[in-house]
Amino acid sequence: KNQVEQSPQSLIILEGKNCTLQCNYTVSPFSNLRWYKQDTGRGPVSLTIMTFSENTKSNGRYTATLDADTKQSSLHITASQLSDSASYICVVSAQAGTALIFGKGTTLSVSS
Amino acid sequence: NAGVTQTPKFQVLKTGQSMTLQCAQDMNHNSMYWYRQDPGMGLRLIYYSASEGTTDKGEVPNGYNVSRLNKREFSLRLESAAPSQTSVYFCASRPGASGQDTQYFGPGTRLTVL
Repeated sequence: KNQVEQSPQSLIILEGKNCTLQCNYTVSPFSNLRWYKQDTGRGPVSLTIMTFSENTKSNGRYTATLDADTKQSSLHITASQLSDSASYICVVSAQAGTALIFGKGTTLSVSS
Repeated sequence: NAGVTQTPKFQVLKTGQSMTLQCAQDMNHNSMYWYRQDPGMGLRLIYYSASEGTTDKGEVPNGYNVSRLNKREFSLRLESAAPSQTSVYFCASRPGASGQDTQYFGPGTRLTVL
């Protein structure tokens, strides 16, 4: 069964600190993996997208990595800001299909 | 460019009432989607429309109907609302039906069924 598991479920860090969120998937055949940011009360917004051949993709202070062999991805946030407080959702797309498989998300709280 | 817009933002219904959630996009996208998001669960696909004139069931279609009114608009109808349909509903669109295309989400409709 195609699944996307994220960890941790929630995380609290101090402003300025770094953090890493994890995503493991069992989607096959794999097409691409996205990380979305969802602010409270808003719709998800795409941060990065990586295909099978890409190991790393950056978007400002956000860096996503992908290991297609172990079917793992991580999202690293550098020098966190209060505005990084949000839910981060890992989404995997299977080849030749329109369906996206969503993880349940990691809720990040950045405190001052 | 407004992107994806949804109306209403909030709605409270009584069990058995009906209502239609509206969604429109101004990005000339071909594909449109309806999801629901419940606490502790990932987004789940209700229905989608890969192109104007077509609609298909997603993971959780029971109790819902959709209409792709034109290329811009995709509505979701609850014919007889049930408390289990209390959720946040998101509409999304993307340029094509390819898995490579990014989905753009609306702000959501928060629905409570009493």
